[in-house]
Amino acid sequence: QKEVEQNSGPLSVPEGAIASLNCTYSDRGSQSFFWYRQYSGKSPELIMSIYSNGDKEDGRFTAQLNKASQYVSLLIRDSQPSDSATYLCASPGSQGNLIFGKGTKLSVKP
Amino acid sequence: EAQVTQNPRYLITVTGKKLTVTCSQNMNHEYMSWYRQDPGLGLRQIYYSMNVEVTDKGDVPEGYKVSRKEKRNFPLILESPSPNQTSLYFCASSSIPTGPGNTIYFGEGSWLTVV
Repeated sequence: QKEVEQNSGPLSVPEGAIASLNCTYSDRGSQSFFWYRQYSGKSPELIMSIYSNGDKEDGRFTAQLNKASQYVSLLIRDSQPSDSATYLCASPGSQGNLIFGKGTKLSVKP
Repeated sequence: EAQVTQNPRYLITVTGKKLTVTCSQNMNHEYMSWYRQDPGLGLRQIYYSMNVEVTDKGDVPEGYKVSRKEKRNFPLILESPSPNQTSLYFCASSSIPTGPGNTIYFGEGSWLTVV
């Protein structure tokens, strides 16, 4: 059974700081990873995807993938209170689905 | 606009009263699925469908039924709801396979309370 693990948090950072969210996965054959942001009571929305080792940057967001360590992370630079949400890490399962971690709750304090 | 539409968004029902949550997508996706989300347990897949007339159980299928008679629709049926099915439900769709350049789109969610 493929698994995706995340620290549930909450992770609290001050406004303007870098928030670092981490995720580990069990299946060494996993090729792609997705980060979703979910505001309380809302549906998950895709913010980043990464398929290759290394970093991928999109605005204030950087996803990092290390396949040797089976580790994927999301950095949020210049964190804003509007970034306060739960961040879900996900990887494709064998049934065309996504396997989700339980999410890390991020709180950005003004 | 690409959309996954669920109805109802909010429902309070009583134990044993059959209900259906509808889901429709306008992206011509082959793959559709239902998830439930509970505090501390994350998103768990209930049922999924690879295409019309093809459905299969996910991780937590007990107490649920689905059907896929048309590509765009994938209703979730609770034949005899119980309080432990109180949850936030998400319908999702995607093209197959899920991977590079292709991900899952979620509906807005349906809050279901069974009393």
